[in-house]
Order: sequence, then C-alpha cells, then structure tokens
Amino acid sequence: DGGITQSPKYLFRKEGQNVTLSCEQNLNHDAMYWYRQDPGQGLRLIYYSQIVNDFQKGDIAEGYSVSREKKESFPLTVTSAQKNPTAFYLCASSIRLAGGPGNEQFFGPGTRLTVL
Amino acid sequence: KQEVTQIPAALSVPEGENLVLNCSFTDSAIYNLQWFRQDPGKGLTSLLLIQSSQREQTSGRLNASLDKSSGRSTLYIAASQPGDSATYLCAVGGNTNAGKSTFGDGTTLTVKP
Repeated sequence: DGGITQSPKYLFRKEGQNVTLSCEQNLNHDAMYWYRQDPGQGLRLIYYSQIVNDFQKGDIAEGYSVSREKKESFPLTVTSAQKNPTAFYLCASSIRLAGGPGNEQFFGPGTRLTVL
Repeated sequence: KQEVTQIPAALSVPEGENLVLNCSFTDSAIYNLQWFRQDPGKGLTSLLLIQSSQREQTSGRLNASLDKSSGRSTLYIAASQPGDSATYLCAVGGNTNAGKSTFGDGTTLTVKP
C-alpha cells in the first residue's frame, strides 16, 4: 500500500531534550511538509521541502530543524529552543509543491508530542 | 497574507439532514482548494480537491463548490450519517503564499442518530 508513515505515534520529552520525529512516504512525491496542530486550531506550516537536499522555513520554524537526504524521508527535530513543543505533528506530501495547480496533499497519521 | 475562515466552528444535526460547511478566503489569487476530514487524534484524509479553473467537484454524497471572485467555497454533505461526524478543514493554495497551502481552523460536525 502506498502512503505516509509517521513514528512514533506518541512521544514524551523532558524539557531540554531534542527529539526527532520520523516521516516516510512511498508515493514517489517530490514535496514534503511538516505541520503543527494545536487543540481547536488549524494547521501551521513548520518546514517544507520541494526536492531532495532542499528545504524551506514555513511560518513557525523557530526551534525546529529538518533534513531531506532521501526522497522518501523528511525527519523533523524538535530542539530545546522550541518554547512550547507540546502539540500534534503532521507530515504530508504531494507530487509537487501543494498550493500549485492541481497538487493534492496527503497526510500521515501524526505524532503527538508531550513535554513532561 | 492569505487568511482562511471556517464558520461555524461547530455544527450539530440530526441524521439524514443535508448540510453545508463554509470556507472563506481573503485573496482570490488561488491555485486550488482542498477539503479534508479529520477524526479525533488522527491525520487528515483528503475529500475533494478543486482546481482554480473548476467550479465544483463531487464524490459520493459530497459536493464542493468554489467561487473565487467572492472568496468562498462550500462543502455540501447529503443525507448525513453518524459516521460523518468529524472535523472538516479546508486548505487554500495560492501564489500569494509562495505556492503553499493555508488552512482554516475547521468545523466540527456531529451527526446525531
């Protein structure tokens, strides 16, 4: 089955620790995205990547970092610099950059991060 | 900057009723608009994608319309069922946001048996 997988489903972090969230897709999509969702709110874009070895900051990139060494993988690191990291994190992909003509965006199941 | 608004934030209807969810956006220079469904604690499931050149798209009991000039889209759900209970989000993609999508906060729908 083609799709997007995220791991782990739940993640607990102590203050001051960095944690890395995994996102893998086998849809052969060029573009990948990380969003953050807080309760009762829509999605806010953290980082996105249009192609391997390239990525751009989204609207709320501070305290986060990413890499795109392989087409299938786009891991997100939540650093200790992120002041309020407790949230639901969603990874997505599209054939080309979503928001362009006809580019449908597909989502993974999400990772819920809680800071203890 | 593109802003996307979904009203109402929550909606409760009896089973079998037809209903309309609304999505409005401030900048009409869009490439596409996508409707999603989100169940509690889950990721987003794509329902319909409307390209800027289209007026509507249909899938089963769902029909989405797009009026760029007025900055509005509607998602029509026919003969609602309890299984339709979820949060519905719209996302607008446009060249005023470097080709990225802007999401609304969603409408949480409850269909009562």
